[in-house]
Amino acid sequence: GAVVSQHPSRVICKSGTSVKIECRSLDFQATTMFWYRQFPKQSLMLMATSNEGSKATYEQGVEKDKFLINHASLTLSTLTVTSAHPEDSSFYICSARVSGLAYEQYFGPGTRLTVT
Amino acid sequence: AQSVTQPDIHITVSEGASLELRCNYSYGATPYLFWYVQSPGQGLQLLLKYFSGDTLVQGIKGFEAEFKRSQSSFNLRKPSVHWSDAAEYFCAVGAGTGGFKTIFGAGTRLFVKA
Repeated sequence: GAVVSQHPSRVICKSGTSVKIECRSLDFQATTMFWYRQFPKQSLMLMATSNEGSKATYEQGVEKDKFLINHASLTLSTLTVTSAHPEDSSFYICSARVSGLAYEQYFGPGTRLTVT
Repeated sequence: AQSVTQPDIHITVSEGASLELRCNYSYGATPYLFWYVQSPGQGLQLLLKYFSGDTLVQGIKGFEAEFKRSQSSFNLRKPSVHWSDAAEYFCAVGAGTGGFKTIFGAGTRLFVKA
């Protein structure tokens, strides 16, 4: 089956620093990847849609300058949290859409970010 | 606007008992519907999906769901729950055309008691 990995699985950083999270589709090409944020005991909130070779589309209320998304290849998308603050601490999950299958998404295991 | 409602924040069932998790959606066109399961600190695993055809959909781990257009519902069922089924369950609807966004419900936490 389609596998999506995320790295790192958890990261702790100091306030004001930047953190990069990688999302890879291991055995398929993903023209579209999605980035979600999940607060404890809450649902997934879509942050942005990342299309290979083009700029990401951000959801309303998501700061594009703070959450930088790059989708440089068909198997890799990165999310960089810039100038992180404690309120950015959350569980970040990516998913990858299988090309040609509109709603087939496969989710990564998530990255726990803690900003101190 | 598209939305998904899961009325039950949490449910507790005894091991071996049957389970039904409720899901209602709001979407103008034919919906693409999903159920996902999430174990603590993990990503989401797809249990089953409905795109078209037979309204009773079979999934993994013995789960099934029934699409009822008249009730705008897509309830998840399992005839006999195992302790390992304890997790968070999310109902979702695929929305939009070019964007193919997935909108998630708030989730239902399933507790299984011995």
